[in-house]
Amino acid sequence: QKEVEQNSGPLSVPEGAIASLNCTYSDRVSQSFFWYRQYSGKSPELIMSIYSNGDKEDGRFTAQLNKASQYVSLLIRDSQPSDSATYLCAVNPNNNNDMRFGAGTRLTVKP
Amino acid sequence: IAGITQAPTSQILAAGRRMTLRCTQDMRHNAMYWYRQDLGLGLRLIHYSNTAGTTGKGEVPDGYSVSRANTDDFPLTLASAVPSQTSVYFCASSRTGAYGYTFGSGTRLTVV
Repeated sequence: QKEVEQNSGPLSVPEGAIASLNCTYSDRVSQSFFWYRQYSGKSPELIMSIYSNGDKEDGRFTAQLNKASQYVSLLIRDSQPSDSATYLCAVNPNNNNDMRFGAGTRLTVKP
Repeated sequence: IAGITQAPTSQILAAGRRMTLRCTQDMRHNAMYWYRQDLGLGLRLIHYSNTAGTTGKGEVPDGYSVSRANTDDFPLTLASAVPSQTSVYFCASSRTGAYGYTFGSGTRLTVV
């Protein structure tokens, strides 16, 4: 079992819809959780961080964390074609240099 | 503009040659990292440094070395390149490990 698992996609949603990206992790003691967006040929860009159970909202993005289920998700409301990218889930079990990345989910938002 | 600068942007390298990938940050971040990204394998940590003067091995350190003489610079050296080191290399930094990372623009390396 991979430490951080994501559905590779592609996930396709129409413009204006809600895109839901999911991630599970294996280390129960994980403390820090992140979502990065990576456009094709570009570097990852941090878009959300979440540290405690529940929801965290930032603009059109909402991160959801459920530590009991070892599950973290990213919701993108009112999806735009410019949201088309690969989204990487990352987990840092001990808040040190041990960040583990999922392989990413490719999202396509169709006009 | 604050951020991380990597050089070169891309490189084709003959097997057996030595190569240093450069990484410089101006955010005064304590921690710096080198990752490689390969299709289907995602980002894998090569080496890290929690603070100037210290370094550590990540998931895939073999064939690579790093140094951290000061806060800003974190070069990655391939002593004798092999084709399996063909990859995209990203340098990243963070205030501490608890924070998310800022990534450089990457170096695309092809070893032939």
